[in-house]
Amino acid sequence: AQSVTQLGSHVSVSEGALVLLRCNYSSSVPPYLFWYVQYPNQGLQLLLKYTSAATLVKGINGFEAEFKKSETSFHLTKPSAHMSDAAEYFCAVSEGSGNTGKLIFGQGTTLQVKP
Amino acid sequence: DAGVIQSPRHEVTEMGQEVTLRCKPISGHDYLFWYRQTMMRGLELLIYFNNNVPIDDSGMPEDRFSAKMPNASFSTLKIQPSEPRDSAVYFCASSLSGSYSYEQYFGPGTRLTVT
Repeated sequence: AQSVTQLGSHVSVSEGALVLLRCNYSSSVPPYLFWYVQYPNQGLQLLLKYTSAATLVKGINGFEAEFKKSETSFHLTKPSAHMSDAAEYFCAVSEGSGNTGKLIFGQGTTLQVKP
Repeated sequence: DAGVIQSPRHEVTEMGQEVTLRCKPISGHDYLFWYRQTMMRGLELLIYFNNNVPIDDSGMPEDRFSAKMPNASFSTLKIQPSEPRDSAVYFCASSLSGSYSYEQYFGPGTRLTVT
């Protein structure tokens, strides 16, 4: 069965510093992987997705993630944090090779950006 | 498209009352998901539908919860009777099977408070 582990429930960085949010997945089939962002009092918004094309995926707001099959990882990065990046971030993996439509979400990582 | 629409955005009710949450998915999407989010338990999948048919309701916490999807453009999540521990933010999301990547689009959520 598919699963997702996000390492670190809280990450704090200074404005302008590198952002690194970690995600490891478990999947018995080639996965589709996603990062979502949730700003306070809002729904989840898709940041980027990996669908077996390029292993380095670029998303919105300067974020990118690299799919590493050997490490079963899909870490999210941004070279320079901005105050507006403060939010909760969720990693997710699609369930199964068939089209169940279901995503398995990690527990989320809260990103704090300090001035 | 207007995106996923949820109503009401906020609901405050007394213990024992019936609560109905509503969702309108993105037009043409054939999957619909109901999630609950709390600080303690994070994001939980309650139930999901494909072509208006419930596929997996294993996340529904108990018989007090029920969900329906009478047509492709409308779904309800009902709690009867409500209890204080049902206080949470409830999200609806939809996706399109033909998109192959299974990405889900979330509504803004309904914040439910049961006193």
